[in-house]
Amino acid sequence: QVHIVQSGAEVREPGASVKISCKASGYTFVSHAIHWVRQAPGQRPEWMGWINVGTGTPKYSQRFQDRVTFTRDTSASTIYMEMSSLRYEDTATYYCVRGQRGNYDIFDSWGQGSLVTVSS
Amino acid sequence: EIVLTQSPATLSLSPGERATLSCRASQSVGSYLAWYQQKPGQAPRLLIYDASNRATGIPARFSGSGSGTDFTLTISSLQPEDFAVYYCQQRSNWPPITFGQGTRLEIK
Repeated sequence: QVHIVQSGAEVREPGASVKISCKASGYTFVSHAIHWVRQAPGQRPEWMGWINVGTGTPKYSQRFQDRVTFTRDTSASTIYMEMSSLRYEDTATYYCVRGQRGNYDIFDSWGQGSLVTVSS
Repeated sequence: EIVLTQSPATLSLSPGERATLSCRASQSVGSYLAWYQQKPGQAPRLLIYDASNRATGIPARFSGSGSGTDFTLTISSLQPEDFAVYYCQQRSNWPPITFGQGTRLEIK
């Protein structure tokens, strides 16, 4: 059974950075892409980018490409998302999402989400 | 960037009734459209992909149709657990992958 477990809630001040982890189990880790999607309170989900877990190659949405970094640790079956220069409007729940095998842009399993609050 | 517009914003129905939700794309996405269900405090869940394919474990009362720019999610007979927010999402022309603004399905 697929499990995607994310790290817990974080509170940061404006201008700080945050790093979220996402541990996957129940499937072949390197065979599926991982996407990051965030959702501000009461808003639609917003796609941030994805990482080819097999090669470690990330691709970022233009909106975030200057502030986010995706990495992975295959030995720990874990993906990381780091965002810098946080702003109040970055307050959101951040989801780690698995891409379907073969159709890596179909989001077939979601982590439980990590709430990031930006507050002074 | 492809913009997805969902209608109605809110749909009020009773259990047992049929629900019809719409999603319109600003340009053709072919059949590369998915539907997700989100309940309060939970992550979205994949219901339908590529316009009409049910995801694993999704009941047959959920069905999707459409192509190009106009899509429909139909729930044939609403169950109490179906009241939630529904989002459409396109993967035709990306980056970026985009989502609609959602339809809230509430109990009448």
